Amino acid sequence: TQLLEQSPQFLSIQEGENLTVYCNSSSVFSSLQWYRQEPGEGPVLLVTVVTGGEVKKLKRLTFQFGDARKDSSLHITAAQPGDTGLYLCAGLNAGGTSYGKLTFGQGTILTVHP
Amino acid sequence: GAVVSQHPSWVICKSGTSVKIECRSLDFQATTMFWYRQFPKQSLMLMATSNEGSKATYEQGVEKDKFLINHASLTLSTLTVTSAHPEDSSFYICSARPFRGPSYEQYFGPGTRLTVT
Repeated sequence: TQLLEQSPQFLSIQEGENLTVYCNSSSVFSSLQWYRQEPGEGPVLLVTVVTGGEVKKLKRLTFQFGDARKDSSLHITAAQPGDTGLYLCAGLNAGGTSYGKLTFGQGTILTVHP
Repeated sequence: GAVVSQHPSWVICKSGTSVKIECRSLDFQATTMFWYRQFPKQSLMLMATSNEGSKATYEQGVEKDKFLINHASLTLSTLTVTSAHPEDSSFYICSARPFRGPSYEQYFGPGTRLTVT
């Protein structure tokens, strides 16, 4: 079973601060995705990273995929109250009996105070 | 963009009854759909993988006789919670993988809140 360790689990910061969320695994993933979820709604895809070492930027959000495709990070610059939500990383399993399935990290609940 | 709907969005049922949740891909065909369960402030846990025209495969620890999955067409999968109990109360989310496209492409539904009284 592939596991994806996400940290921190909770993050409470002031508007304007920077933050980084990490996802780590001992397993290789063929791709990794980051989602954001609001209470009572389904997760919304932010980005998919596929190539080891890949960096993608989405406005104030920067996503990195580790060279070995075992880890990833999400960095938010100058956080805003609108960034508040549950952030989830999810790795696409590369093979074995879990091929094609997503393994989710535990999630990070981000609260940005005005 | 690809849209996945779920119906109902919320349901309250009495203990011992069964409830059916539908997951539809509205503008694409999906040979594979996934069912997840999510408890408050926790992550998504994969329950089962549903393939059109074949039996669903369940994750370890998920009772297949309790959570019946039917993927009868390329746009519809259903999850039936049989003989529901209060501990089955949860947020159930489906996702659908398009028939054509990369393996990482999947779209999530808005979720169904099940409350068993």
